[in-house]
Amino acid sequence: DADVTQTPRNRITKTGKRIMLECSQTKGHDRMYWYRQDPGLGLRLIYYSFDVKDINKGEISDGYSVSRQAQAKFSLSLESAIPNQTALYFCATSDTGTATDTQYFGPGTRLTVL
Amino acid sequence: AQSVTQLGSHVSVSEGALVLLRCNYSSSVPPYLFWYVQYPNQGLQLLLKYTSAATLVKGINGFEAEFKKSETSFHLTKPSAHMSDAAEYFCAVSDRPRGSTLGRLYFGRGTQLTVWP
Repeated sequence: DADVTQTPRNRITKTGKRIMLECSQTKGHDRMYWYRQDPGLGLRLIYYSFDVKDINKGEISDGYSVSRQAQAKFSLSLESAIPNQTALYFCATSDTGTATDTQYFGPGTRLTVL
Repeated sequence: AQSVTQLGSHVSVSEGALVLLRCNYSSSVPPYLFWYVQYPNQGLQLLLKYTSAATLVKGINGFEAEFKKSETSFHLTKPSAHMSDAAEYFCAVSDRPRGSTLGRLYFGRGTQLTVWP
């Protein structure tokens, strides 16, 4: 079984709809991250969480919100989706104890906003 | 602030040829450096990482990278390309100061590697 899972893997939605992307991990890591990937722009950080009570904005948090329901679960919400949020979204985890910030990625969610 | 520059958004090589993917970084602290690979329709997979031990780091699938502090570079190489190496490659730098528990990764924009038969 995969250590970091994301649901759904693909989602098509309409402008103005609220959607939630979910991430679960079995690695026992305390840190979790949400990125979006756009062609030619690499990965940009949306939000990150160093533990259940710690949530931080990344470079592109506008239009997004997150919830860390448990150490193993980190959800990303788009309150009112817009077409320029069409992208590939990745969840990642890391472990404070490793001291190197190595991150482990989920398989991604491809989101299309019409 | 930390940043990563990957020179060349697309690199094409013939099968069996040398692969060289370039990465330069800026960091206000001694860096941890990473290369990740993304195969089509998959997430990112760690290829190798530099953590201040040996400056020449060996990774999976025959890849290696050399940390050169004077050049602020961490270029990725493979002596002989294989068709299965076709993927997108990302360089990343951590901004975590040594001894601190706070830090995150900054990613470059990626380099798409094409391998011709």
